[in-house]
Amino acid sequence: DQQVKQNSPSLSVQEGRISILNCDYTNSMFDYFLWYKKYPAEGPTFLISISSIKDKNEDGRFTVFLNKSAKHLSLHIVPSQPGDSAVYFCAASGFIAAGNMLTFGGGTRLMVKP
Amino acid sequence: GAGVSQSPRYKVAKRGQDVALRCDPISGHVSLFWYQQALGQGPEFLTYFQNEAQLDKSGLPSDRFFAERPEGSVSTLKIQRTQQEDSAVYLCASSLRGPAYEQYFGPGTRLTVT
Repeated sequence: DQQVKQNSPSLSVQEGRISILNCDYTNSMFDYFLWYKKYPAEGPTFLISISSIKDKNEDGRFTVFLNKSAKHLSLHIVPSQPGDSAVYFCAASGFIAAGNMLTFGGGTRLMVKP
Repeated sequence: GAGVSQSPRYKVAKRGQDVALRCDPISGHVSLFWYQQALGQGPEFLTYFQNEAQLDKSGLPSDRFFAERPEGSVSTLKIQRTQQEDSAVYLCASSLRGPAYEQYFGPGTRLTVT
C-alpha cells in the first residue's frame, strides 16, 4: 500500500514556463512534507519542506503548496530552467506516530527544454 | 562542509557473497538512516540509528541484512549471502535531529548481484 504517490512519472516543460509536480498521500499521521531533487548517480538533494501548520512555503523559484483536506501537495518551479531537469521525489514524515523514516513517492522525471 | 559520503560507490557481488557498505555521515549529525532504492522507484526505509543505538530496523527485508554504528558516527550495512533481489542502490542519510526533519543523503552504493 503506497502511502505517498506521484502519479505522473514524467513531465516536460519549456524553459521559462512553470513546472508543477504533484504528490498525494494517504496517511493522516504525516505532518511534515519534503521535496528532493535527484540527478543521475547522485543521492537525493533536499529542496524544500512544509509543515502541516502551513499551506504554502516559498524559497526562491520553488514554492510548495499543501492541501491537507485533499491530502495533496504540489511543487511549483517558476521560471523553469534546463538545470532543473532531474527526478523529483516528494517525501512525508510525522513528528508523532508515522514511523522513524521518510516515506517517499515513486518520483517524477522533469525535463526542461531550452 | 563535507556531506554524507558512502563507499564503495559501486559493488558487484556474486550470489552468496557477503558485502559491507560504509557510510560517513555529516559530522555532528545524531541520526543516521539507510534506504534501499530499486530502479525506477523511490527510496525505501531500512533502518535508523540515533547515535549508536539502532532504534528502528523494521525495514530490513530479511535477517541477512545487518547494520551497525558502534561509535555513533560511521555506519556499516552488511548483507550476508547476497541474492539477486538485493541488487539496488543503498542510500545513507543523516539528520541533525530526528527522523521527521530534513535528511541529507549520500551518493549511494549501487550493488549488483550476479
